[in-house]
Formats: sequence, structure tokens, C-alpha cells
Amino acid sequence: AQRVTQPEKLLSVFKGAPVELKCNYSYSGSPELFWYVQYSRQRLQLLLRHISRESIKGFTADLNKGETSFHLKKPFAQEEDSAMYYCALTHPSGSRLTFGEGTQLTVNP
Amino acid sequence: DGGITQSPKYLFRKEGQNVTLSCEQNLNHDAMYWYRQDPGQGLRLIYYSQIVNDFQKGDIAEGYSVSREKKESFPLTVTSAQKNPTAFYLCASSIGDRVVDGELFFGEGSRLTVL
Repeated sequence: AQRVTQPEKLLSVFKGAPVELKCNYSYSGSPELFWYVQYSRQRLQLLLRHISRESIKGFTADLNKGETSFHLKKPFAQEEDSAMYYCALTHPSGSRLTFGEGTQLTVNP
Repeated sequence: DGGITQSPKYLFRKEGQNVTLSCEQNLNHDAMYWYRQDPGQGLRLIYYSQIVNDFQKGDIAEGYSVSREKKESFPLTVTSAQKNPTAFYLCASSIGDRVVDGELFFGEGSRLTVL
């Protein structure tokens, strides 16, 4: 069965420091992975897709099939990056998403 | 204002009572979803519906029921059989009957507290 694991429930960094939010997955076949973000008092929203290979708000994520990981990285964290981050994986049928446990990121001034 | 509307935002109920959470969307999306959000456990799928008059169980469907009589509406009933109903509930939709490009559109959530 597919599974998404985010090993860190809480992550705290200082402004300007690099940040990496870890995501590991188990999946048979070619996975489609995503990062979602939930800022305080805002709706959960899609941040980025692995297939797009895009950088959103300075964040990037690389799919490493060998390590079955999809870690989210930003070289210089900002206070406005403080939020809850979820890693997600598409079900093989494409009909649903499986989410990880979430990581609460706090960027301190 | 287009989007997904969940109501009520906060709900208190006594143990043993059924409660229904509303989810309405005006995005003309085909699929709708109910997730439960608990600290440290992430989002877990309760039920989803890809088309009107059809729905499937998710990972934690026990103690919950849904209906999809209209495209715009996907209410969730938390029954007295749900052993631990106090949680934050999120409704979402997707453009097609699949999760297109991984994008779900979420509501603001409903927080249910059972006393």
C-alpha cells in the first residue's frame, strides 16, 4: 500500500537559514508527489508538484526514486514561510491523494 | 465569491448525537472529498465522490456517512458510532473525477467538539 511519511512534526529555524522538510514515500510504480502548505488562518493549498520541477516562493523539491524521498528545500528561510507543510502522493487510480503527517515549520526572527 | 464553503465553522455536540457537516462548492468540480485532520496524524481520507449519486469509502470511513445528491453538495454525517469524533474536518474538490495535476481545492474546515 502506498504511504507518505514526514518524520519531523516540528521544525524550527532562524530567518536566513536553509530549511529542509523531509518526505519519504512507499509506492509501486511511478509516483506523483506534491507539497501542500497551510498558513495560519488560511486554507490548505497546493505549493508545488514534482513533475513541474518548479520553484515556488523559493522552495524546490526533487524526487529521488532511489531513496524514495521528496524533500522540500529553501536556501534562505523567511518568517512568512512559517506554516504547516504536507507531502502528498497520488493514488494509482488518480482518484485521491494520500497525505503525510505534516511538519509545522517555524521561522524565528 | 467562488470556492468551497463549509459550515458550521465550529460545532459542539453531546456524545451519542449524530451531526452533519455541510460542504458546498460553486466551482463546478466533479469530485469532492472529506478529510479528517488531527495533530500528528495529518490528513486522513474519510469518503470521496467522483460523480453525483456515487461515493467511495476512504481510509477511515467507519462511523461516518455521506451523500452526493447534487454536484454542488457533499454533506458528511458523523454518527454516534464514530469512537473519536472530535477533530477538524476538511472538505475538498477537484476539477475532474480525478485529482488533476495533484490539485485539491479545500474549504476552511469545520471543528467538531464532542462533549
